[in-house]
Amino acid sequence: QKEVEQNSGPLSVPEGAIASLNCTYSDRGSQSFFWYRQYSGKSPELIMSIYSNGDKEDGRFTAQLNKASQYVSLLIRDSQPSDSATYLCAGVGGGFKTIFGAGTRLFVKA
Amino acid sequence: EAQVTQNPRYLITVTGKKLTVTCSQNMNHEYMSWYRQDPGLGLRQIYYSMNVEVTDKGDVPEGYKVSRKEKRNFPLILESPSPNQTSLYFCASSLRWGVYNEQFFGPGTRLTVL
Repeated sequence: QKEVEQNSGPLSVPEGAIASLNCTYSDRGSQSFFWYRQYSGKSPELIMSIYSNGDKEDGRFTAQLNKASQYVSLLIRDSQPSDSATYLCAGVGGGFKTIFGAGTRLFVKA
Repeated sequence: EAQVTQNPRYLITVTGKKLTVTCSQNMNHEYMSWYRQDPGLGLRQIYYSMNVEVTDKGDVPEGYKVSRKEKRNFPLILESPSPNQTSLYFCASSLRWGVYNEQFFGPGTRLTVL
């Protein structure tokens, strides 16, 4: 069974700090990864995508991918209370399927 | 406005009473998918469709049926719902299947089976 693992949290950080969210995956055939943010009672929305080893930055968000270690992370700089949500990591590879992790709950304290 | 819509948003039903949850997208997307979300388990894929008349099972297809007769619509059918199908359901679509294509999600349908 192909899996994507995330620490369920909650991860609590003070406002203005860096939040670090991590994800590991078991399928070495996974080629791309997506980070979705989901507010309580709402649908997931895309935050970042990453396909190659290394870092990808978009505003306050940085995604990191290490295919050798089968590890993906999302860094949120200058965290704001509005960043408080559940963050879902998803891996895409063969088989026309997307495998989601269970999500990490993030609380940013004002 | 580009969007994925689902109906109904909330549904309470009883065991064994057939129901259909509709999903429609207006983005001319080829790939559509259904997920269920349960606490601690994340999103699990039920069925997906690569295009019209092309559907296949995801990881948790038991107890569900789908059809894709039109590109924009992808209904989820529960022929005989059971309490273990109580969940939050999301429909999603993407332009086409590919490792670079993000999925756009509908607002969700909260289903309770008594």
